[in-house]
Amino acid sequence: DAKTTQPNSMESNEEEPVHLPCNHSTISGTDYIHWYRQLPSQGPEYVIHGLTSNVNNRMASLAIAEDRKSSTLILHRATLRDAAVYYCILRGYSNSGYALNFGKGTSLLVTP
Amino acid sequence: DTGVSQNPRHKITKRGQNVTFRCDPISEHNRLYWYRQTLGQGPEFLTYFQNEAQLEKSRLLSDRFSAERPKGSFSTLEIQRTEQGDSAMYLCASSHPDSEKLFFGSGTQLSVL
Repeated sequence: DAKTTQPNSMESNEEEPVHLPCNHSTISGTDYIHWYRQLPSQGPEYVIHGLTSNVNNRMASLAIAEDRKSSTLILHRATLRDAAVYYCILRGYSNSGYALNFGKGTSLLVTP
Repeated sequence: DTGVSQNPRHKITKRGQNVTFRCDPISEHNRLYWYRQTLGQGPEFLTYFQNEAQLEKSRLLSDRFSAERPKGSFSTLEIQRTEQGDSAMYLCASSHPDSEKLFFGSGTQLSVL
């Protein structure tokens, strides 16, 4: 599986936008970019995914670079409830169906 | 729909004992996954079922681990002769055949003393 690189941690102020970067220079043409987040004491939660075009949903936006070697998860207005570990994952089809290979992610701290 | 359910939430056992965890996926989700997560790390893939068929097992799944999904509904993960290194959060996830999204349960926290 192609690997992703994320900062270990980031900090944001409440009600400000947050841009979480992810580098994936070895991405293949068929790899989807997935983002999950994990709040303390909970299982991971799906946030968003995309292939080539930018994507928006009620939780966040995903901006994908034109060469697809990097992407950015955008939280438009951070709240205290957004404090979590955010995982950027490349998903290519395999015998594992849609199994995802998580890295260490970025721990987001949101301060009031 | 109550989401993916895992039981028990916590399990404390002595080294050498056997433990079994249960996962009830979201109904109509034919794909089911088991992951293991240790402190400070992301979840690690263990095994995957499509309906009742176990299609892939990670090299992390030693011969002391066994997973089943009879009738393609709930799944169990058993660890025999537990070791202290087995202490971790065991997460279950399921997905619908038409979706790429995985839905995770809250996990079972295993502590081996």
